[in-house]
Amino acid sequence: AQKVTQAQTEISVVEKEDVTLDCVYETRDTTYYLFWYKQPPSGELVFLIRRNSFDEQNEISGRYSWNFQKSTSSFNFTITASQVVDSAVYFCALSANAGGTSYGKLTFGQGTILTVHP
Amino acid sequence: DTGVSQDPRHKITKRGQNVTFRCDPISEHNRLYWYRQTLGQGPEFLTYFQNEAQLEKSRLLSDRFSAERPKGSFSTLEIQRTEQGDSAMYLCASSSPTSPHEQFFGPGTRLTVL
Repeated sequence: AQKVTQAQTEISVVEKEDVTLDCVYETRDTTYYLFWYKQPPSGELVFLIRRNSFDEQNEISGRYSWNFQKSTSSFNFTITASQVVDSAVYFCALSANAGGTSYGKLTFGQGTILTVHP
Repeated sequence: DTGVSQDPRHKITKRGQNVTFRCDPISEHNRLYWYRQTLGQGPEFLTYFQNEAQLEKSRLLSDRFSAERPKGSFSTLEIQRTEQGDSAMYLCASSSPTSPHEQFFGPGTRLTVL
């Protein structure tokens, strides 16, 4: 079974601060994908980033960066120079091979509420 | 290019009534997923279609729930004899054959059972 844990329930920062959201995952599969989604107050889930289990290279995309470490089963997400518009609920998610069948379902964490104050 | 659309956006019903939700995926997306999200929680997987075939169903999908995707395009999710515990946001997502791991979500249907 897959499991995703986001230990931080809520984070509050002041605009322009950097903020890191933590994610720890569990899976027995050797092939899997990890994701971060953003859910603003409007409710629609917005895809942010994806990383597969074969690629531990960490990247930066604009103000977003992520740190994927298989040794600790962590997939942390950092927003640099946060803005008020970044205020939302952020979800980490996992998609695994599930015993050889095609990839399908996402397993989500419980989410981290990020509030960025002006 | 339009995104995933869901109808209705909000539904209020009385306990015991049947409800049906519709999801229109992004054009040419062959995979379609249904999730349920309760307040303060992450979305939970309900079921998954590849074209018209329903390939996986969660244990959360009780006998009162049924999903269809008859022509491999839009999908419907029906809940029979609704219960107060069915109150949640029902999310639909789709993905393409070329990027099957990237799911695009619709705005959701918020169900309130009185």
